[in-house]
Amino acid sequence: QKEVEQDPGPLSVPEGAIVSLNCTYSNSAFQYFMWYRQYSRKGPELLMYTYSSGNKEDGRFTAQVDKSSKYISLFIRDSQPSDSATYLCAMSGGSYIPTFGRGTSLIVHP
Amino acid sequence: DGGITQSPKYLFRKEGQNVTLSCEQNLNHDAMYWYRQDPGQGLRLIYYSQIVNDFQKGDIAEGYSVSREKKESFPLTVTSAQKNPTAFYLCASSIVGMESPLHFGNGTRLTVT
Repeated sequence: QKEVEQDPGPLSVPEGAIVSLNCTYSNSAFQYFMWYRQYSRKGPELLMYTYSSGNKEDGRFTAQVDKSSKYISLFIRDSQPSDSATYLCAMSGGSYIPTFGRGTSLIVHP
Repeated sequence: DGGITQSPKYLFRKEGQNVTLSCEQNLNHDAMYWYRQDPGQGLRLIYYSQIVNDFQKGDIAEGYSVSREKKESFPLTVTSAQKNPTAFYLCASSIVGMESPLHFGNGTRLTVT
């Protein structure tokens, strides 16, 4: 079993939908949780960063961490075609080298 | 404007040739990393460096080499010993510390024929 599991998708939704992207993990030492967005042929860019459990909101994006279930989520409200990208979760704790999920491909169609 | 610059964006080489990918950062970060990304496989760590003149192997270091002579620069050499070198290569940097997220460059697409 991988330390971080992420469904690769693709996830296809209509414009305006609420998108839910998720990762599960097995390492209890993880304390720092990140979401990256990666457009085709570009490097990943940091989207959200959270520490420990709870929610964090930034515009249309909400990151949620449930450490008791070892489950993290990224919600995108009012999704736009420009949100079409691959979303990678990452987490760290115990080591400064983060562990990445495989990424979920999101397609938002007009 | 602070950031990470990878060059070139696209690189083509013949099999059997070594090739060096450039990575420069002006974020004043101590740690630098090289990842390889293949379709459906996520990011795989090749090498990382926490400080100048020191670096460690990641999960897939075989067939690769690095140097860290300057804080700003962390070039990656893909040698002829690397069996499947065609891939998208990403360089990243961070402050040393598990609370510090990585910042990525825009990658180099290497094609070896």
